[in-house]
This record gives sequence, C-alpha cells and structure tokens, in this order.
Amino acid sequence: DAGVIQSPRHEVTEMGQEVTLRCKPISGHNSLFWYRQTMMRGLELLIYFNNNVPIDDSGMPEDRFSAKMPNASFSTLKIQPSEPRDSAVYFCASSLEGGTASPLHFGNGTRLTVT
Amino acid sequence: GESVGLHLPTLSVQEGDNSIINCAYSNSASDYFIWYKQESGKGPQFIIDIRSNMDKRQGQRVTVLLNKTVKHLSLQIAATQPGDSAVYFCAETYYGGSQGNLIFGKGTKLSVKP
Repeated sequence: DAGVIQSPRHEVTEMGQEVTLRCKPISGHNSLFWYRQTMMRGLELLIYFNNNVPIDDSGMPEDRFSAKMPNASFSTLKIQPSEPRDSAVYFCASSLEGGTASPLHFGNGTRLTVT
Repeated sequence: GESVGLHLPTLSVQEGDNSIINCAYSNSASDYFIWYKQESGKGPQFIIDIRSNMDKRQGQRVTVLLNKTVKHLSLQIAATQPGDSAVYFCAETYYGGSQGNLIFGKGTKLSVKP
C-alpha cells in the first residue's frame, strides 16, 4: 500500500506566484481532506471532499485558495497569488468513507515557503 | 498537553520508562477521541481511539484513558522506546459524524533519552 502521496515535498516560491499542491489518495478511499499545519495554529482543516464533491470548504482562508478533485485518484490545492503568511506544511489525508469509523491516513505533507 | 503558543509542551522520558501524555478537550458534546503520532517530516498517524461510553482502551503498548467529568484524555505508552519520539496530538469529534468535524489539539512533543 503506497499510502497518500503528496507532491512536491518542498516548495519555495516568491510572493505573488501561483502554487499548486498535489495529492493522490489511497486507492479505494472516497474521502479526501486538505489540512494546513503551523506552529501558531496547529492542524487546521481547509476543505474536504466525499466522492470527489467538496462538502465543506469553510476552512479555506480566502479566495486565493482553491481546491479541486477531478477524479477519485487526484486532488489539487492552489494558492494564487501566494503570500508569506501562507508558509506552512500542507497535508492531504484520505479515509475509506469519511465517517468516524474510518481513520484518516495522512500523506507526508508539502512544506511551502513563500518569500 | 495543550499548546502554549509557539512552544509545544515537551515530555522527556528515559528509554524503558512509561510515558503519560495529557490532553484537555474543549467540547463537552464530543464523544469520540483519537490519538495521533507525528514523527519529524511525516504526517500524523492514527494510534488509538476511544468512544465516550468507555473510560479506558488498550492497544499494543498504549492505553488511552478518558475522564469525561473533567474533559481530560491521556495516552500512556509502556516501556517507551526511541521510536516513540514524536509529537502526539489528541483529536475530538462526535461519533457517527464526519472526519471533517475532527478538532485537533496543538500537540505534545515526546523526547526519549537512550
């Protein structure tokens, strides 16, 4: 089992640039979650999908952030334009069916640095 | 085990000793709790969970205790090993809901001295 795969592992970009983070969930999982982790705020849920449909995006900080899930095996989180305060580790997680009976499986994250 | 801002609470133990990591949860309506372990450079990993109809649950070398009266959760690790060094998060939600309702604590860093 390859687990949740995220790319890139590290991203360094300049303020104003577009950033795209990618995630491949575990095959057969139908729920996908994007989290952001910082020392100040800990782990925050940004958005989650069930069966490729966005269910709750209330955690997305502002319109600069957008997420898509075009199919069951791929999701992207885009930041445009990026700002230094977006610097964080972004995690993708998947679960079998999104309910509490199915634990979250996290990827190893993308560390984003915006200068 | 709650956050004090920029600095994670840290627990330092000797290899072979037992570790106890504490967590105060916030929502009295929460009835499902999970402990996650996050090693450096990796994502959080599920360790053990407990529902509010229990006050204790045991896994392999780990035990979770729940005190609903004072909204307190603890994770006990027996015979702590260097591989247990990580940040440990408690998370709360309500059973039967979505993982999207999961609220994570800020974490406690466990450091194991050889």
